Amino acid sequence: GAVVSQHPSWVICKSGTSVKIECRSLDFQATTMFWYRQFPKQSLMLMATSNEGSKATYEQGVEKDKFLINHASLTLSTLTVTSAHPEDSSFYICSASSGGGYEQYFGPGTRLTVT
Amino acid sequence: KQEVTQIPAALSVPEGENLVLNCSFTDSAIYNLQWFRQDPGKGLTSLLLIQSSQREQTSGRLNASLDKSSGRSTLYIAASQPGDSATYLCAVLKTSYDKVIFGPGTSLSVIP
Repeated sequence: GAVVSQHPSWVICKSGTSVKIECRSLDFQATTMFWYRQFPKQSLMLMATSNEGSKATYEQGVEKDKFLINHASLTLSTLTVTSAHPEDSSFYICSASSGGGYEQYFGPGTRLTVT
Repeated sequence: KQEVTQIPAALSVPEGENLVLNCSFTDSAIYNLQWFRQDPGKGLTSLLLIQSSQREQTSGRLNASLDKSSGRSTLYIAASQPGDSATYLCAVLKTSYDKVIFGPGTSLSVIP
């Protein structure tokens, strides 16, 4: 099946700094990528949807100026958490789809800890 | 607004038992339904994907059924093993270009 990678797999950063998470589709072109967030003992919640070459669409309650999403190519999307705070500590997972109703493939996730 | 629920929230069974996990969704107009497994601190592993036109999918000891009209899906695990211990999530996709809506998950513990 299709493979989606995320980098880094885990990151610790200090409060106030920014951190970038990469999501790559390794063997297919992802016209659409989704970013999800999972807090401890909770399910995944969609943060935003990005289509290659377009601005991301954010879910209600997600600050677009804090969570910057870039989908500059068909194989790479990035999520930048700006001015991170401890409450941003979470598990971030991306998924990628080649569109047209094809299955979404999920990355392994990135665990962010803000100290 | 689509809502996905899963029952039970947690389940503990002795090894070897057959078990059923339940998933319900409020809007029957779905494109597909997918079952995932998530180990603690890890990402998602896709188990089974059922298209809206299908009634069930099987993979090894796993069988997932879909009843769109009643808004329900079940995941059947035969002859459970300790290695099956994980959280199982069901997720629905409304349209081919839409977001996936996840249920809260069922935490399964299989006791040796």
